[in-house]
Amino acid sequence: NAGVTQTPKFQVLKTGQSMTLQCAQDMNHEYMSWYRQDPGMGLRLIHYSVGAGITDQGEVPNGYNVSRSTTEDFPLRLLSAAPSQTSVYFCASSYSRVGAHQPQHFGDGTRLSIL
Amino acid sequence: AQSVAQPEDQVNVAEGNPLTVKCTYSVSGNPYLFWYVQYPNRGLQFLLKYITGDNLVKGSYGFEAEFNKSQTSFHLKKPSALVSDSALYFCAVKRSGGSYIPTFGRGTSLIVHP
Repeated sequence: NAGVTQTPKFQVLKTGQSMTLQCAQDMNHEYMSWYRQDPGMGLRLIHYSVGAGITDQGEVPNGYNVSRSTTEDFPLRLLSAAPSQTSVYFCASSYSRVGAHQPQHFGDGTRLSIL
Repeated sequence: AQSVAQPEDQVNVAEGNPLTVKCTYSVSGNPYLFWYVQYPNRGLQFLLKYITGDNLVKGSYGFEAEFNKSQTSFHLKKPSALVSDSALYFCAVKRSGGSYIPTFGRGTSLIVHP
């Protein structure tokens, strides 16, 4: 099993550009989520999904869009990149059908710099 | 609402000494509690969890954690620290019977000195 795969690992954008961060999992997990990690801020939830076709906003959703057309994929779109979106982005997934006690599986992150 | 506090940004310990990384939580109802570790340039990795039952939970790499309901704490411990344990540690909580969305603490950097 590959687990949770994020691409790209690194990206540099100019202000105003758009891009999509990819996330795929091969564990048939229902729940998927996107976090951003900034120094001193811990992990902040951007968007999450409890299954294909269902998404919802987290703590810091502004400037980001998501969709969940399949169980496996959960892409994160930056609509118009801003320097404040410079961060490390993590995708995570977990089983939800068997209960909320399941731990999350994380990808290795995408390091994004906005100039 | 649920919340997690990790009161120490950094913990320093000498190799071979016991280590403790502190976590306190707030949740309505019974908690599910988790510890994760993050090594440089990697995602978070699950270490251990408390669901119910024995208050002392054992996990990966020799780590254990003690659930204390009266103090609403879930401190991570290891009897003898290794330099390779140096990493960022996150505590997380979910409410039993609640949403699947965990709340993470801000993380504690553990530095083990040779």
